[in-house]
Amino acid sequence: GAVVSQHPSWVICKSGTSVKIECRSLDFQATTMFWYRQFPKKSLMLMATSNEGSKATYEQGVEKDKFLINHASLTLSTLTVTSAHPEDSSFYICSAPIVNSYNEQFFGPGTRLTVL
Amino acid sequence: QQQVKQSPQSLIVQKGGISIINCAYENTAFDYFPWYQQFPGKGPALLIAIRPDVSEKKEGRFTISFNKSAKQFSLHIMDSQPGDSATYFCAASSGGGADGLTFGKGTHLIIQP
Repeated sequence: GAVVSQHPSWVICKSGTSVKIECRSLDFQATTMFWYRQFPKKSLMLMATSNEGSKATYEQGVEKDKFLINHASLTLSTLTVTSAHPEDSSFYICSAPIVNSYNEQFFGPGTRLTVL
Repeated sequence: QQQVKQSPQSLIVQKGGISIINCAYENTAFDYFPWYQQFPGKGPALLIAIRPDVSEKKEGRFTISFNKSAKQFSLHIMDSQPGDSATYFCAASSGGGADGLTFGKGTHLIIQP
């Protein structure tokens, strides 16, 4: 399978600060990447679709001004959590599809964000 | 997003047995149905996926059965092993898999030695 990396794997920040999370496709190019959020012992919820060269598409209920997404290149998408608050604490996971007959989506290892 | 319903929430199977997890969907636009395995603190790993044009797909010990008319699909894990103990998620998307995934709530599987 394809490899998707995320950095950092975990981060702790103070309330009110901003945090940037990187998602990279290591061995393939991805014009589209997806960002998901997962609370403890819960399922994954799609937050937004990151599009290389254009604006991200956000799911209903996701604040675009709080979760800034930039798809800088064909292998890199970043998610910035602005003015983070404790309720933003979660596991953030990105995925990238390989363009083939199945468009299989491969996930990164996730980033654990804790806001104090 | 349309919901994908997954059952059971938890499952205990003896080593060597068959683990069966079921999912149902409502959105007829869904045309890609993957299954993921997730260990605590890790990202989901793709196990197997199916398109609606086939009724069954097998890869090693993992089999997906798909019933388009009933809008249901299931994962069978044959010869279940303790290492299979994990949380399993079914998912669905449209656009041939190019769209974001809608996940089921997950099944916590425990394989007893």
